[in-house]
Amino acid sequence: EPEVTQTPSHQVTQMGQEVILRCVPISNHLYFYWYRQILGQKVEFLVSFYNNEISEKSEIFDDQFSVERPDGSNFTLKIRSTKLEDSAMYFCASSEESGSYNSPLHFGNGTRLTVT
Amino acid sequence: DQQVKQNSPSLSVQEGRISILNCDYTNSMFDYFLWYKKYPAEGPTFLISISSIKDKNEDGRFTVFLNKSAKHLSLHIVPSQPGDSAVYFCAASRAAGNKLTFGGGTRVLVKP
Repeated sequence: EPEVTQTPSHQVTQMGQEVILRCVPISNHLYFYWYRQILGQKVEFLVSFYNNEISEKSEIFDDQFSVERPDGSNFTLKIRSTKLEDSAMYFCASSEESGSYNSPLHFGNGTRLTVT
Repeated sequence: DQQVKQNSPSLSVQEGRISILNCDYTNSMFDYFLWYKKYPAEGPTFLISISSIKDKNEDGRFTVFLNKSAKHLSLHIVPSQPGDSAVYFCAASRAAGNKLTFGGGTRVLVKP
């Protein structure tokens, strides 16, 4: 079965550094997402992306965050200047369609980001 | 964000018995409800969903029930198997998009 793949599985960075989290969505999917889960908290929506632009973003997704689809296969999340509170598990997801419960999100296994 | 709540953080059940997981929501704009299962070191995996126009959806051992008036849904797993031991997340979305609002999860342990 096709999978969403994320790299790296664990990223350690110093506060103030830039990080790029990478994702390869399922090949025929058109909608892409980033979610995150801070330890002990809920999985939270960050951003959705379609047709090379952001379709929706949460309050968490401020100017420090950006997303990009640099080529036909990768989808990246960049955090410009990391803060301690950015430490979390970041999940990439993709779906074939939008607005249909018959097209559920498929999640990757996540990147654990640790900011020291 | 308390729009989706799972009030039971954990559940322990004997193999072969029924597991019942509960979820409450407050936002009446939610149209679709989904259950995801998550094993350690993996991402959430879609399990089953239900539209707000239905009150029940069944897929094998998994059945989701929706009570719109009570803003409550439940997931029944019967019979429960040891491989079902995982964290189960309830999630909700509005019709127009796929942004999911998650509950806090219920950790299920199925004892052999």
